[in-house]
Amino acid sequence: DQQVKQNSPSLSVQEGRISILNCDYTNSMFDYFLWYKKYPAEGPTFLISISSIKDKNEDGRFTVFLNKSAKHLSLHIVPSQPGDSAVYFCAASALGAAGNKLTFGGGTRVLVKP
Amino acid sequence: DTGVSQDPRHKITKRGQNVTFRCDPISEHNRLYWYRQTLGQGPEFLTYFQNEAQLEKSRLLSDRFSAERPKGSFSTLEIQRTEQGDSAMYLCASSLALRGSDEQYFGPGTRLTVT
Repeated sequence: DQQVKQNSPSLSVQEGRISILNCDYTNSMFDYFLWYKKYPAEGPTFLISISSIKDKNEDGRFTVFLNKSAKHLSLHIVPSQPGDSAVYFCAASALGAAGNKLTFGGGTRVLVKP
Repeated sequence: DTGVSQDPRHKITKRGQNVTFRCDPISEHNRLYWYRQTLGQGPEFLTYFQNEAQLEKSRLLSDRFSAERPKGSFSTLEIQRTEQGDSAMYLCASSLALRGSDEQYFGPGTRLTVT
């Protein structure tokens, strides 16, 4: 049972344009969501998070949107840069339950073309 | 930079051997997590510690796996009698759980190959 899904395995975008990554979840107990970026042979790097009491959180070029009724979140990267080429993982947790363990999606590989 | 560190970065072992990995978390973090990632998948939760107490273990963590966090500082993950299915990237993360947020910071991982 995959509780967090990233349905697009890959995304290609031109430098300077917007990258939009999507994530869906099924567990209504999830109330905290995070995005991570991962380069090959490295651990995931934390990018941005959002609590379920908000519907938007912005940090520089990264914005996360949360639609609780649809159980859907998205990450917008604008403008996209070649260094953004990586695999992006969406993760979810239920704060206060089971130590806030993260449940990850399968990842979306982003390629930003110069 | 005092991020999460893991040692070794790579380990090749023969089936049936025991291996041990170490994780040093960010010093002020009270929570430490172990995850496992196989090719093409997202990381999967294995276990976590609040200070020195191991508070939850995933069903993925068979009885061949054991983790410790003595004195609430570094942690070790031991796999006994390794099997080829244990080949994966083992990731450690730490966090300072606060009300309303819990950003987990990951180390570089230990890639285990069982031949």
